[in-house]
Amino acid sequence: GAVVSQHPSRVICKSGTSVKIECRSLDFQATTMFWYRQFPKKSLMLMATSNEGSKATYEQGVEKDKFLINHASLTLSTLTVTSAHPEDSSFYICSARSPGGEAFFGQGTRLTVV
Amino acid sequence: GENVEQHPSTLSVQEGDSAVIKCTYSDSASNYFPWYKQELGKRPQLIIDIRSNVGEKKDQRIAVTLNKTAKHFSLHITETQPEDSAVYFCAASNQGNTPLVFGKGTRLSVIA
Repeated sequence: GAVVSQHPSRVICKSGTSVKIECRSLDFQATTMFWYRQFPKKSLMLMATSNEGSKATYEQGVEKDKFLINHASLTLSTLTVTSAHPEDSSFYICSARSPGGEAFFGQGTRLTVV
Repeated sequence: GENVEQHPSTLSVQEGDSAVIKCTYSDSASNYFPWYKQELGKRPQLIIDIRSNVGEKKDQRIAVTLNKTAKHFSLHITETQPEDSAVYFCAASNQGNTPLVFGKGTRLSVIA
């Protein structure tokens, strides 16, 4: 079964609205989770590192006020895309690393902003 | 920070032939090197990984080699099959809770 579960898998929203994506670690506690974005035919690009109980760390060029990350428990991180625009349409994937070091990925969320 | 380069970007092979994808990394502190297969619209699937304390690892038709001195690692797929067609990504990271840094990907097409 899935070790990391992400929800929803697909979402279509109107420009200007906000979308929340949830990422759950099912088999182990994850003090850190990672959020990636993948545009069509491109690689996975790290957006931010989500830290349980503290602020997320954002990669250069990623707006922290636009991509709100909350990591309130050891098994749940959420990414909220605020005031979404069509250019935010992408495939968003979360990841957590097990104590053994292997990285597990959520199913991904296909966001389409119309 | 870490930078991972991956080549080639596309690769076409005849069914039954071998496929080789190569990656280089920049951070000598990296010690974990996984390879992922990703099908369209799906999450990356780990196919094999190697840690810095070994130079080669094999799992049936798939093998990975690591040269720490040169900072490069390679994926080898033998006896390719049409179902091997997908995008393959290499990645590198330190141990512990650090993110994976991905290569740009290789689109492999196995022609029947």
